[in-house]
Amino acid sequence: DAGVIQSPRHEVTEMGQEVTLRCKPISGHDYLFWYRQTMMRGLELLIYFNNNVPIDDSGMPEDRFSAKMPNASFSTLKIQPSEPRDSAVYFCASSLFQPQHFGDGTRLSIL
Amino acid sequence: AQSVTQLGSHVSVSEGALVLLRCNYSSSVPPYLFWYVQYPNQGLQLLLKYTSAATLVKGINGFEAEFKKSETSFHLTKPSAHMSDAAEYFCAVSASGNTPLVFGKGTRLSVIA
Repeated sequence: DAGVIQSPRHEVTEMGQEVTLRCKPISGHDYLFWYRQTMMRGLELLIYFNNNVPIDDSGMPEDRFSAKMPNASFSTLKIQPSEPRDSAVYFCASSLFQPQHFGDGTRLSIL
Repeated sequence: AQSVTQLGSHVSVSEGALVLLRCNYSSSVPPYLFWYVQYPNQGLQLLLKYTSAATLVKGINGFEAEFKKSETSFHLTKPSAHMSDAAEYFCAVSASGNTPLVFGKGTRLSVIA
């Protein structure tokens, strides 16, 4: 049974470039969450969706961040333009009901 | 609003010794509580969950946790540590079945041979 799939696993890019992170949730799950993990702030919610509709995006740091869920099997998190302080591990998680199931994350480094 | 406090950012135990990782929560509603484990360069794996059923919850890999409402605690224990238990452990709280998780800062467990 496939889990949550995130791509890429690692991304290194230069400041100012656009970054797109991708997530495929577990089939049948109707909730999708994006979290960010940093040494300073730990794990924090960025945004979450229910049935492809954004429910709460209050955790998105600023307008440079955007997230979409065009269908039940795919979501993207985009950063444009990227900055060094965006360097972190970004996790996607999905659920039908608790608990949430996490992907392996995307380790993002902005130079 | 929910919050989680994990006491001790780093815990070190000898192989075969008791593991005790502490978690205290704050919640305005009866909480859902979770422990996740994270191995290096991997995602978070669920160890166990409390969802208002039995207060003593058994999880994978021999871990268990006890929900104590009076102490607002949900400490994680394992009777005998194995080298393979070395990892980062996160306690998390949720207000309901489908709201986002609020995580503690994590506790890194080291197991000494």
